Amino acid sequence: KQEVTQIPAALSVPEGENLVLNCSFTDSAIYNLQWFRQDPGKGLTSLLLIQSSQREQTSGRLNASLDKSSGRSTLYIAASQPGDSATYLCAVKGNEKLTFGTGTRLTIIP
Amino acid sequence: DAGVTQSPTHLIKTRGQQVTLRCSPKSGHDTVSWYQQALGQGPQFIFQYYEEEERQRGNFPDRFSGHQFPNYSSELNVNALLLGDSALYLCASSYDHPGWGTGELFFGEGSRLTVL
Repeated sequence: KQEVTQIPAALSVPEGENLVLNCSFTDSAIYNLQWFRQDPGKGLTSLLLIQSSQREQTSGRLNASLDKSSGRSTLYIAASQPGDSATYLCAVKGNEKLTFGTGTRLTIIP
Repeated sequence: DAGVTQSPTHLIKTRGQQVTLRCSPKSGHDTVSWYQQALGQGPQFIFQYYEEEERQRGNFPDRFSGHQFPNYSSELNVNALLLGDSALYLCASSYDHPGWGTGELFFGEGSRLTVL
């Protein structure tokens, strides 16, 4: 059974800093890995999708990496802004369904 | 291009009642998945529909059932509601056929169900 862990559960950093969010998973037989953002009480917004054959994906200030062999992914956010404050969830796709972590609640301090 | 739309956005029910939630997938998507998200938790997979059939199911009781229509829209039905069914119910759509689709999931804003 796939298990996805995100540490830390919460993170606060001053505006302008670069930061890294971590995601680990137990079963390396994955189809892809997706990072999402969720604002309070809202749905999930897809940020980046990494296929199992890829090592990283970039979109603007975001960069996600994938190391299947070690069961790890990181989301790098450059030059953080207050608008980046949200919960970030990683999800691993294997055998048709996504398995989510519990997320990292990020707060950017102005 | 409309994304994934869900209705209703909020609803309140009492224990024992039944509820139906609706989802329209993103244009061009033919696969719909439903997730339950309790407060402070990650979404949990309920089931997935493709070609009007349930393709896979998570660890949810038979009280949870669904349907997909020919236009790819979907419904989630929950019978005999329990207090523990209170959650945000999320619908996601995708087009993940090998060689054509990326498998990326797009989510709606969810339906917030409160059971009293």
